[in-house]
Amino acid sequence: DADVTQTPRNRITKTGKRIMLECSQTKGHDRMYWYRQDPGLGLRLIYYSFDVKDINKGEISDGYSVSRQAQAKFSLSLESAIPNQTALYFCATSAGTVNQPQHFGDGTRLSIL
Amino acid sequence: AQKITQTQPGMFVQEKEAVTLDCTYDTSDPSYGLFWYKQPSSGEMIFLIYQGSYDQQNATEGRYSLNFQKARKSANLVISASQLGDSAMYFCAMRERFRGSARQLTFGSGTQLTVLP
Repeated sequence: DADVTQTPRNRITKTGKRIMLECSQTKGHDRMYWYRQDPGLGLRLIYYSFDVKDINKGEISDGYSVSRQAQAKFSLSLESAIPNQTALYFCATSAGTVNQPQHFGDGTRLSIL
Repeated sequence: AQKITQTQPGMFVQEKEAVTLDCTYDTSDPSYGLFWYKQPSSGEMIFLIYQGSYDQQNATEGRYSLNFQKARKSANLVISASQLGDSAMYFCAMRERFRGSARQLTFGSGTQLTVLP
C-alpha cells in the first residue's frame, strides 16, 4: 500500500461545483502539504499543516480551503471550481527537520470544464 | 527573487552518457537542505537525492550524484550512464529553517530530460 494516498486520481467536473480532494498517510508524519502543478511550472504550495491545529496558507491559497481531520488526513476543497484551477494536485508529508524529504502521493488530475 | 532557478527547460543526452542538470538557489539561512525529484510522464514525484548545507561531501545515490558548490549556491544533479528510463522531468527543491523548524519545500521550474537511444 502507498504511504501517501490521494483520492480521486482523476476528476472531471464543471465550473461552479464544489470539489474535495482527499489525502491520507501512513508515514506517521505531522506535516502535510497540498501543491498544485501546472504545465511548465514547478509545484506551488497551496496550504500546509504542521499538526492538526496548525494550518497555514501557502503561495496560492485563494479559491481553496483545507481541513486536517486527523494526523493522517488532510483534505483540499475547491468551493466553487473555475477552469483555471485545472491542474495536477499533489499531497505530501514530511518529518520536521531540514534533512527530510517530502513524500508525495501519486497526484490527482483535476479538469474543470 | 526566485529561490530555486533551473535554467535548462529541456536537455538531451545520449544513452550511456553522463548529464548534468543545473540548479542554483538563494537563501540567507545557514541551515538548509537541497533535494532533487524525478517526475516521469506518469506524474508521480520520486525523491532522488539530498544534500545538506553543512555536508562536507557531495551526496551520491547510485547513478545520481550532487555537485554541491556552496559558495556559488549551486546544487547540480549529475546522472551517470544515462538510461532510457531516466527520461523525465527533474525538479530541484530547497528546504530552509524557519523559527527553529523546517519549512516546506520550494521548487524550481524543472528540467525535461530526454535520453536518446
